[in-house]
Amino acid sequence: DAGVIQSPRHEVTEMGQEVTLRCKPISGHNSLFWYRQTMMRGLELLIYFNNNVPIDDSGMPEDRFSAKMPNASFSTLKIQPSEPRDSAVYFCASTTTNNQPQHFGDGTRLSIL
Amino acid sequence: KQEVTQIPAALSVPEGENLVLNCSFTDSAIYNLQWFRQDPGKGLTSLLLIQSSQREQTSGRLNASLDKSSGRSTLYIAASQPGDSATYLCAVRRGNAGNMLTFGGGTRLMVKP
Repeated sequence: DAGVIQSPRHEVTEMGQEVTLRCKPISGHNSLFWYRQTMMRGLELLIYFNNNVPIDDSGMPEDRFSAKMPNASFSTLKIQPSEPRDSAVYFCASTTTNNQPQHFGDGTRLSIL
Repeated sequence: KQEVTQIPAALSVPEGENLVLNCSFTDSAIYNLQWFRQDPGKGLTSLLLIQSSQREQTSGRLNASLDKSSGRSTLYIAASQPGDSATYLCAVRRGNAGNMLTFGGGTRLMVKP
């Protein structure tokens, strides 16, 4: 089992640029989550997919953020245009059912200059 | 709105000591509660998951308890080791909203040899 795979591990870019974060969930998992972690706000849920369909995106901070899940094995989180306050560690997690724990990737550390 | 609080925010203990980490939540209508471990620069690793109908779960030196009515959970670590040093987070799954978790701010544990 390869676990949840996120890329890139680190991203440094200038404000105004488009940023795309990628996630490959564990094979067979039908729920996928994007989280953001900062020192000030802790771990926040951004969006949740079930069977590739977005179920709740109430945590997405602004229209600059968008997420897609075109198939069961791939999801992207895009920020356009990026701002310095978007700097954080972004995690992707997946799971099978409501009674199973979520499995996290190692995250993408994003720095917007 | 569910709020999850973890006290203390940081804890330092000598090796071999038994210790308790605390988690409290404001809305008792939860589906389950999970304890996670996070090592620096890494994602979260699930340690224990307690269903709302359960009182406790055990895994090795770890024991997690749940008192839903009082909105509290504890994670007990027996005979602590330096390798237990990490941040421990609790998260509650909302009872009526899919598989989404609300996280506490975490307790940063340091076990000194």
